[in-house]
Amino acid sequence: GNSVTQMEGPVTLSEEAFLTINCTYTATGYPSLFWYVQYPGEGLQLLLKATKADDKGSNKGFEATYRKETTSFHLEKGSVQVSDSAVYFCALTPRVNNNDMRFGAGTRLTVKP
Amino acid sequence: GAVVSQHPSRVICKSGTSVKIECRSLDFQATTMFWYRQFPKQSLMLMATSNEGSKATYEQGVEKDKFLINHASLTLSTLTVTSAHPEDSSFYICSLPQGGYYNEQFFGPGTRLTVL
Repeated sequence: GNSVTQMEGPVTLSEEAFLTINCTYTATGYPSLFWYVQYPGEGLQLLLKATKADDKGSNKGFEATYRKETTSFHLEKGSVQVSDSAVYFCALTPRVNNNDMRFGAGTRLTVKP
Repeated sequence: GAVVSQHPSRVICKSGTSVKIECRSLDFQATTMFWYRQFPKQSLMLMATSNEGSKATYEQGVEKDKFLINHASLTLSTLTVTSAHPEDSSFYICSLPQGGYYNEQFFGPGTRLTVL
């Protein structure tokens, strides 16, 4: 079945450090891939998305590239800020079934000044 | 702006009482909505699919008599936790499928339920 494996945290970085959160997936066909962010006490907000091989999703300085050959969608940011502290979820949906959104376990990021 | 709203955002109740959580679609008509549950420091688990005008579809292991879902209109789905117990304490999140090219979902802000 479809699944997402995400780098376990917590991750603690200093401000302006480089961030990578690894995400790999297992799926049939060509799923859509997402990164969601959850700030303390809030719901999930879409951070970025990609739908086909070599697509790069980007938003607020974050980037992730859909790599079909390695079945990966790693999240990166060149210079993190304290305000980026949150939990990040990698997720996928098959192209044809909305019900089947699968989430990674989530990675808690703390950025210190 | 927000696409999906939830009410209340936070509720504390006594064991044995029932709690209703509302999920509203603000910009779209929604024949389908999803309900998720998130335990502390864990990921989201799909509980059920809410279908407008028909019965909800529950995931395996979710008690349908415990978690009553009603989708009475194209903009409102409700989740009622009946006879709540402390183990029902969790973060409940609804979502609205957007479909289209990306097949994504819009998530509500969540409701924190604490059962004493």
